[in-house]
Amino acid sequence: QLQLQESGPGLVKPSETLSLTCIVSGGSISGSTYYWDWIRQPPGKGLEWIGSVYYSGSTYYNPSLKSRVTISVDTSNNQFSLKLSSVTATDTAAYYCARHRDPYGDYDYWGRGTLVTVSS
Amino acid sequence: QSVLTQPPSLSAAPGQKVTISCSGSSSNIENFRVSWYQHLPRTAPKLLIYENNQRPSGIPDRFSGSKSGTSATLGITGLQTGDEADYYCGTWDTSLSAWVFGGGTKLTVL
Repeated sequence: QLQLQESGPGLVKPSETLSLTCIVSGGSISGSTYYWDWIRQPPGKGLEWIGSVYYSGSTYYNPSLKSRVTISVDTSNNQFSLKLSSVTATDTAAYYCARHRDPYGDYDYWGRGTLVTVSS
Repeated sequence: QSVLTQPPSLSAAPGQKVTISCSGSSSNIENFRVSWYQHLPRTAPKLLIYENNQRPSGIPDRFSGSKSGTSATLGITGLQTGDEADYYCGTWDTSLSAWVFGGGTKLTVL
């Protein structure tokens, strides 16, 4: 059974860079048509797609966040990462990693999420 | 403001049926596959429906999905208290070049 687990600091200061890692177990991050995504949910709000990475390193970002987002993949350690720069309080959210079956398809596996608070 | 419009909340009694609507446009729902997710607090969201109307293995047939034009619908029959959750629709939006989710519907079973 595939499992995804987010890890990273729960508190980030304004203007700094938020960094999270998603460790994938029970399956390989490489190959096939799967994409690996980050999605977030601000408190009391809905889900927002942040971006995707393919095992080859190709990336696709939400245009609304593109200038501040970097998603990378580490196939040797079966994990992928998110960096979001110049954070503000509006970036406070639960951050989820998920497997995307293809660029236009569904998310079949999700992590439990990790809450990141932006505060001084 | 979400690109996909869902009712913020719905309630129904145990054993009843409920439908959750997801309204979009020609740049998203009409031309791309819709999926639905169940989300309980502090848990991983769960895929309920993919490719508009397909159920993953392990999802009971009480859950169904459909799509017509620019709208999609999730149906749940034989409601159980364990169905209390937030439900989200999602699809690709070609105008935004982004995956988009509905605003979510909070289902209460009372």
